[in-house]
Amino acid sequence: QQQVKQSPQSLIVQKGGIPIINCAYENTAFDYFPWYQQFPGKGPALLIAIRPDVSEKKEGRFTISFNKSAKQFSLHIMDSQPGDSATYFCAARLLISSGSARQLTFGSGTQLTVLP
Amino acid sequence: EAGVAQSPRYKIIEKRQSVAFWCNPISGHATLYWYQQILGQGPKLLIQFQNNGVVDDSQLPKDRFSAERLKGVDSTLKIQPAKLEDSAVYLCASSFLAGGTGELFFGEGSRLTVL
Repeated sequence: QQQVKQSPQSLIVQKGGIPIINCAYENTAFDYFPWYQQFPGKGPALLIAIRPDVSEKKEGRFTISFNKSAKQFSLHIMDSQPGDSATYFCAARLLISSGSARQLTFGSGTQLTVLP
Repeated sequence: EAGVAQSPRYKIIEKRQSVAFWCNPISGHATLYWYQQILGQGPKLLIQFQNNGVVDDSQLPKDRFSAERLKGVDSTLKIQPAKLEDSAVYLCASSFLAGGTGELFFGEGSRLTVL
């Protein structure tokens, strides 16, 4: 049960819109939920992250909402800009190997296009 | 601070040939990961090292893939023989062993095309 399910697969919004990307998980042992942003030809880069004891986290225009009981979390991008056009991956972290090593499982990704 | 370095950036081979990818993690990062990212999908973990020991290689197709991390720094991922379905971007990432958030820092990847 290490899967993380992500939706939608693709999303197109107008500049200034608020795209929302959703993720769901089953394993309650996950202890950290980051979002990564990936531009074409580049590796993913950490955007924002949240721990399961927090319901919301904001960093600039990016907000994570976390619903522990539903085992769901989502990314909201306020006042989206064309420069936000990228692929976004949610992920979930598991401590493995006697708790000294961390492992990330990624969602399938959402390709976001923000139109000017 | 230098990022994760990977080479080559692009490689085209024919099926049944072999290929090797190299990764140099961020200095001081004890944990190194190899991920496979097929077009349109999220990264899938192939193998995870902590220093020069393997933490998890459960998703590594060991009949054709091998990886090593000598001296706990650089790492090499090898595919032999390659199959068409191995066409993907191979991402290397590194992180601190303990403390902090365990953020993964990714390289730009090595894109493999198998013909």
